[in-house]
Amino acid sequence: NAGVTQTPKFQVLKTGQSMTLQCAQDMNHEYMSWYRQDPGMGLRLIHYSVGAGITDQGEVPNGYNVSRSTTEDFPLRLLSAAPSQTSVYFCASSPPQQGLEYFGPGTRLTVT
Amino acid sequence: GESVGLHLPTLSVQEGDNSIINCAYSNSASDYFIWYKQESGKGPQFIIDIRSNMDKRQGQRVTVLLNKTVKHLSLQIAATQPGDSTVYFCAERSGGYQKVTFGTGTKLQVIP
Repeated sequence: NAGVTQTPKFQVLKTGQSMTLQCAQDMNHEYMSWYRQDPGMGLRLIHYSVGAGITDQGEVPNGYNVSRSTTEDFPLRLLSAAPSQTSVYFCASSPPQQGLEYFGPGTRLTVT
Repeated sequence: GESVGLHLPTLSVQEGDNSIINCAYSNSASDYFIWYKQESGKGPQFIIDIRSNMDKRQGQRVTVLLNKTVKHLSLQIAATQPGDSTVYFCAERSGGYQKVTFGTGTKLQVIP
């Protein structure tokens, strides 16, 4: 199993541009999440999904959209990038009712 | 880019000694706790977990202790090795999947 994969690994955007961060998992996990990690702060939940077709907001959802059309994929869309969205983004998946998450390798995003 | 390990508190231990990494959690309703480690440029990786109905759990060379009275969690690493040098952080969950809080982390530095 590849586990949780994320693309791209690095990305530079200009303010106002949009893009999609890709996340896929091959463990047939129902739960998937997106987090951002900033220096001096713990991981913060952006959006999450408890199954295909179901998504909900986390702690810091503004400026981001998600969709979950399949169990495997959970893309994160930045609608209009802002410098405050410069961060490292992690996707994670989990079997239901376990709480233990498997993380992808991350995408380092810089918005100028 | 800036490493996630910068600006974190650092615990320095001699190779072969035991390490104790501490975490104060915030929510008395939290019922599931997880320790992760994170190497530079990679996603968090599960180490060990514990539920609130336990006060101690042991894994391979690691032990997690939970003190609910003072809302304190610790990770003990026995016979610390240079390969254990990385960032460690705790996470607490309370009820719903989205109710998760991550600590900011501690950098463990093992001195050969």
